[in-house]
Amino acid sequence: RKEVEQDPGPFNVPEGATVAFNCTYSNSASQSFFWYRQDCRKEPKLLMSVYSSGNEDGRFTAQLNRASQYISLLIRDSKLSDSATYLCVVGSGNTGKLIFGQGTTLQVKP
Amino acid sequence: GAVVSQHPSRVICKSGTSVKIECRSLDFQATTMFWYRQFPKKSLMLMATSNEGSKATYEQGVEKDKFLINHASLTLSTLTVTSAHPEDSSFYICSANPLTGVFYGYTFGSGTRLTVV
Repeated sequence: RKEVEQDPGPFNVPEGATVAFNCTYSNSASQSFFWYRQDCRKEPKLLMSVYSSGNEDGRFTAQLNRASQYISLLIRDSKLSDSATYLCVVGSGNTGKLIFGQGTTLQVKP
Repeated sequence: GAVVSQHPSRVICKSGTSVKIECRSLDFQATTMFWYRQFPKKSLMLMATSNEGSKATYEQGVEKDKFLINHASLTLSTLTVTSAHPEDSSFYICSANPLTGVFYGYTFGSGTRLTVV
């Protein structure tokens, strides 16, 4: 079983749609959680950290369920510029290592 | 703040030669930097943790004699791919995080696309 699992997609949605991505992780001792965005042939860029209480940043909402070891990302009112690969990333508290999911590809169409 | 510079961005080399990739933290110090590798349509895989002033820690399956890491200062880590072969062609990315302050997630360099011919 992979340490961080994501549905690779692709998710093809029209502009304005709401889309949700899910991610599960296997290490219950994980302490930090992130969503990164990676554009084609570029480095990953931090989209948002994920907290147990849930957090929102504009059109993006992230949720963490520690009991189920499940992380989600919701994108509302999708824009063409949201087209990218979204990486679910889990960090180990004491080593600083980040474990990346395979990524979920989103394609927003006009 | 928290800018990581990686150089070169792209390199093509002949099989059997060595390639050095630099990772610099421009506006902060980092005792630890991380080196990742990403094959097409695959996830980033951690190769090794670079520790300033001490030996790097390699992940299982990564050959330390092939991927030499040097972290001689708090702002520079280098990865040298020795005797490169076509199967080493990949996207190599480093990351680092400031020693102090709130942890906002690691900052990544812009990556190095290595092609071995």
